[in-house]
Amino acid sequence: DVKVTQSSRYLVKRTGEKVFLECVQDMDHENMFWYRQDPGLGLRLIYFSYDVKMKEKGDIPEGYSVSREKKERFSLILESASTNQTSMYLCASRQGNKNIQYFGAGTRLSVL
Amino acid sequence: GIQVEQSPPDLILQEGANSTLRCNFSDSVNNLQWFHQNPWGQLINLFYIPSGTKQNGRLSATTVATERYSLLYISSSQTTDSGVYFCAVDAGGTSYGKLTFGQGTILTVHP
Repeated sequence: DVKVTQSSRYLVKRTGEKVFLECVQDMDHENMFWYRQDPGLGLRLIYFSYDVKMKEKGDIPEGYSVSREKKERFSLILESASTNQTSMYLCASRQGNKNIQYFGAGTRLSVL
Repeated sequence: GIQVEQSPPDLILQEGANSTLRCNFSDSVNNLQWFHQNPWGQLINLFYIPSGTKQNGRLSATTVATERYSLLYISSSQTTDSGVYFCAVDAGGTSYGKLTFGQGTILTVHP
């Protein structure tokens, strides 16, 4: 089974803090994604990476950056957390020649 | 970009009832997935179904690509079916598999 692991289930941070959300997949997938989920809006794509050190903006990249130094790990960075970044964050991975995406369990982030 | 609309937004059922969830999309797709999000937030793949019909136990799905919609059928619903059901599509090309999600259908099954 594909396993996508997010480092934290729940996080509470203060406004202005730098926040790191970590995601690790164990299936050697090329593509990795970060989404955020808000009530009534479904999931929206923040950033994705199609290979090591490669990244592209998704639909809502403002206020976020990402890092992919190793194939199995994709990090989402909130440079200066703000209250409007309180949300559920979901990581996913996909093998390059396959269409199915596999999701982690999510991180609920609260920014106070 | 591609638009995805799901209906109904909310659905309340008694255990044992059947239901149909719908997903409309605005352009041709090379990937369509149905997910179930459980109460703990985990998204579970139900079907990968860009076209045709598939069945898995009490669940089945049909995608009519030429008419740009997909249906998810749940028969003999159980309380464990409760949660949010998402449809997500990928328009293909150089999108690297990026999925565009609908807003979801919140299903509540009462005992």
